Amino acid sequence: QKEVEQNSGPLSVPEGAIASLNCTYSDRGSQSFFWYRQYSGKSPELIMFIYSNGDKEDGRFTAQLNKASQYVSLLIRDSQPSDSATYLCAVNANGNQFYFGTGTSLTVIP
Amino acid sequence: DVKVTQSSRYLVKRTGEKVFLECVQDMDHENMFWYRQDPGLGLRLIYFSYDVKMKEKGDIPEGYSVSREKKERFSLILESASTNQTSMYLCASSWGLAGDTQYFGPGTRLTVL
Repeated sequence: QKEVEQNSGPLSVPEGAIASLNCTYSDRGSQSFFWYRQYSGKSPELIMFIYSNGDKEDGRFTAQLNKASQYVSLLIRDSQPSDSATYLCAVNANGNQFYFGTGTSLTVIP
Repeated sequence: DVKVTQSSRYLVKRTGEKVFLECVQDMDHENMFWYRQDPGLGLRLIYFSYDVKMKEKGDIPEGYSVSREKKERFSLILESASTNQTSMYLCASSWGLAGDTQYFGPGTRLTVL
């Protein structure tokens, strides 16, 4: 069973702080990793992807990957109330199937 | 931009009815997927298809069937709807290449009474 695990939260941070979201996965053959944001009642939208060990930055978002520890994280700097959503971690091992975590609920408090 | 559309945003059906959910993508993607999403359970894969007329069972295929007669269209069928199939249904598509992402449709909120 391929598993992707996330803390369900809720995670609350004050506006302007750094939000840190974490994800672990069980399949060592996993090749690519994604973070989706999902607002309540909406479908997931891709915000970051990462394939190689290390950090990848895109604006206020940084994805971090450590394949040896089977760990991927998402940092959101200067958190805004509009970042309040559920964040889904997803893992792709073979190109066809994706495996999703159950999501972490983030609330940014003004 | 990739566009994935689903036939209905909200649907209310009665127990025992046959229900069709349709999904269309406009990017010539090879792979298409149907998920259901329930609170606390996350996204669960029902079926996926990697080519026309091809289908593979996901984690929870019981009570569902699918059809893919054309590359751009993937239908989910509830043969006899039951109350435990009340859920948010999400369609997604992708190229099917390593490293590729999935693109989601807006979702269908199905209520079975």
